[in-house]
Amino acid sequence: EAGVAQSPRYKIIEKRQSVAFWCNPISGHATLYWYQQILGQGPKLLIQFQNNGVVDDSQLPKDRFSAERLKGVDSTLKIQPAKLEDSAVYLCASSKLGGGRSGELFFGEGSRLTVL
Amino acid sequence: QKEVEQNSGPLSVPEGAIASLNCTYSDRGSQSFFWYRQYSGKSPELIMSIYSNGDKEDGRFTAQLNKASQYVSLLIRDSQPSDSATYLCAVNPSGTYKYIFGTGTRLKVLA
Repeated sequence: EAGVAQSPRYKIIEKRQSVAFWCNPISGHATLYWYQQILGQGPKLLIQFQNNGVVDDSQLPKDRFSAERLKGVDSTLKIQPAKLEDSAVYLCASSKLGGGRSGELFFGEGSRLTVL
Repeated sequence: QKEVEQNSGPLSVPEGAIASLNCTYSDRGSQSFFWYRQYSGKSPELIMSIYSNGDKEDGRFTAQLNKASQYVSLLIRDSQPSDSATYLCAVNPSGTYKYIFGTGTRLKVLA
């Protein structure tokens, strides 16, 4: 079974530029998450999709960040314009909901963003 | 109050000792609890999940849950240098399928 795919693995941009990250979850996983992990901190949830609908985007800085999952499969996270404090690893994760309990969360390898 | 709290460490233990990692959470209705291990430069990977009060053992790892005290812990027996990593506690707040992570505890196992 293929894992969660993310690209690009690394990206360096100047502040005020834009960047986009792509994620393809594990086949059959209805729920997709984007997390931001700043060095030395735990992952912070940015947005959660179930199929192609947004479940939670309360921590997404909507003035500069946007995300979509148009066909309920792969997803794109965009930052425009980027700020220095956006330097982080952006982790995509997916899970398969089942029964009354939350399932395991599977992570991709992450996209490391450096904003200069 | 943070939703999920962990001591950032580092926690240093000698090889062969028991490492004890702790986590507290604020949402009393939370039902699902997870421990993830993250090596430097890598993504988190699941070690244990626990849903009921008490202990759950898997090899050298034991997860302990006390919902009354809103406390979950991870014990690593016979710690090995390869266990040196950051351990992240994650919680599903009640009524959601979102995973809230703590800041992680960095564990160092000294050879």
